[in-house]
Amino acid sequence: DTAVSQTPKYLVTQMGNDKSIKCEQNLGHDTMYWYKQDSKKFLKIMFSYNNKELIINETVPNRFSPKSPDKAHLNLHINSLELGDSAVYFCASSPDTGGTEAFFGQGTRLTVV
Amino acid sequence: QKEVEQDPGPLSVPEGAIVSLNCTYSNSAFQYFMWYRQYSRKGPELLMYTYSSGNKEDGRFTAQVDKSSKYISLFIRDSQPSDSATYLCAIGDTGFQKLVFGTGTRLLVSP
Repeated sequence: DTAVSQTPKYLVTQMGNDKSIKCEQNLGHDTMYWYKQDSKKFLKIMFSYNNKELIINETVPNRFSPKSPDKAHLNLHINSLELGDSAVYFCASSPDTGGTEAFFGQGTRLTVV
Repeated sequence: QKEVEQDPGPLSVPEGAIVSLNCTYSNSAFQYFMWYRQYSRKGPELLMYTYSSGNKEDGRFTAQVDKSSKYISLFIRDSQPSDSATYLCAIGDTGFQKLVFGTGTRLLVSP
């Protein structure tokens, strides 16, 4: 029974397209995140949501728009994709207000061509 | 100065060796300390979770936190080829509502 699941696992798309990544957690956690992992394996936070409310927006271009329809779901929509957006995007969740142990999904490998 | 510093490696050891992985951090407000293991093309997997200073042991793994030095360590005893992965340290606090990660250390354990 997958705790944090995200779809799709792989995404190959052309520059300028719009794409979405979906995430769901069944851990009952209140906080969900999007992290971006670059080619050097560095994990950097993009957004943090607590109970559907945006808590952290870490200077991410406004082409990236997260949406949390309920506390178990956090989706990421990306407009006008650029080559530099190619990376692995991870969804994660933490209990309570976050900042404690986080559980990650398997990642979405986005390639922009 | 980065919030969390971690040697990227790679660190190559023979099977059975004791491995020591380390991170330093700059903000003394952080209270939660974690180690994640990430296999190639997989998501980070929570390995060890510690609150405040002290040691925590789980099987072959021991996590140490020294808040006075802002230094955290992960020790792996009797290392196995299956331990070959990237190990990421992470620090957090409920006040910050996020985790900050080190760059990860790639570990290679040869049979």
